This record gives sequence, structure tokens and C-alpha cells, in this order.
Amino acid sequence: AQSVTQLDSQVPVFEEAPVELRCNYSSSVSVYLFWYVQYPNQGLQLLLKYLSGSTLVKGINGFEAEFNKSQTSFHLRKPSVHISDTAEYFCAVSPHPMDTGRRALTFGSGTRLQVQP
Amino acid sequence: SAVISQKPSRDICQRGTSLTIQCQVDSQVTMMFWYRQQPGQSLTLIATANQGSEATYESGFVIDKFPISRPNLTFSTLTVSNMSPEDSSIYLCSVQGAYTGELFFGEGSRLTVL
Repeated sequence: AQSVTQLDSQVPVFEEAPVELRCNYSSSVSVYLFWYVQYPNQGLQLLLKYLSGSTLVKGINGFEAEFNKSQTSFHLRKPSVHISDTAEYFCAVSPHPMDTGRRALTFGSGTRLQVQP
Repeated sequence: SAVISQKPSRDICQRGTSLTIQCQVDSQVTMMFWYRQQPGQSLTLIATANQGSEATYESGFVIDKFPISRPNLTFSTLTVSNMSPEDSSIYLCSVQGAYTGELFFGEGSRLTVL
């Protein structure tokens, strides 16, 4: 089974400052990793994903994340945030489909990013 | 990518009644997933719905409470039965990318039980 831990429930940050949202995972098999964003009263939108290859992945809206296998982490970063980045961010993991028939994602508890002017 | 439509988008229901949520996808998919997001919480998988077979439920969720239908490769329904205020949540339908594993979500159905 897989599990995801998002270490910060809330992250307040000033506009134009850098931000890092932390995510650690646990799995006995190879995994795919994802970050999703949920704006108020909306569904989930994929920010970025790691499947294989380069450990630094770039996503939409200027976000990027780095996969660190030894530390089992997949932290999300943005060098300069905007007010419009205020939202809930979810880290998620799924087992590599070749390792198991189970394909559903397991989500972390979420991090509320609050960007202040 | 996939476009997913859910109905209703929101509803207010009375205790003890049942509500059926519909999910329509714009392409044929093998597996559809139903998630629940309780207020201020993360997403919890309710069940996986495969066309032509019984849905597979996660621990803590049972078919009598959350019956699921999957009549074809583009449509599924989730019924929340005998509702109580604890069932007040957003219910989300999702499908998986064919090669990449990512999930595509509908806008969700926001259910309030009084």
C-alpha cells in the first residue's frame, strides 16, 4: 500500500516570495507522483507529474517539483508566488501500473497556500 | 485528457433520503473512480467501477450505502443511500489517463444533508 504525508497543513507567504510545499511518500513498489491544485469551489487540476526520467519536473503556472527517491520526497516549489496561487494543493501517489493492478491514486491531506499582499 | 461532467453539481437533501450522482465522460474508459472529499479534508477513494463487473469498494465503504452502476464505458452513477449529515461532502468522479496514470476529475457534486 502507498501513503502520502504533507507536512504542512497551511503555508502563509507574501506575494512574490518563493514557496516550497513538502510531500513525503511511502511505498514498497515503484510509484508515479502527482501534484494537484484545488481552487475554492472547484474540482482538482493537475499541476505536474513524475513518471520516470529527469527528477526535476516542471508544471503549469510556474510550479516545479523534484523527485528524491532516497528521501522519498516530492516537494513542490515556485520561485515567486502570486495572489492567484492561493488554493489547496494535494500531493498524490499511485503504484506503477506494471507492478500492480491497482491504479487509483492515494492523496495527501493537503496544504493550504495563502498568498498575502 | 478527458472531459468529465457530473450531475448534480450541488444538492441539499433531507436525512434518510437517497441521491444518485451521475458521471459522464467524453471518451471510453475502462476504470472510473469515485472519491469523497469531506469538508476541509483530502480525497478518499470510495470505489473503483469497471464496466461489466461489480465495483470494488475500499475499506470503510459498502455497497449497500454507496451502490454504483457502470452500464457502459462512458457513464457511471454513485448513489448515497439513507443519508445522514455525516454524508455531507463533495463526491468526485475521476478517470485515469491511458498511459500516464494521472487522474482527470469532474467538478464534483457538493452534497449537504440536513
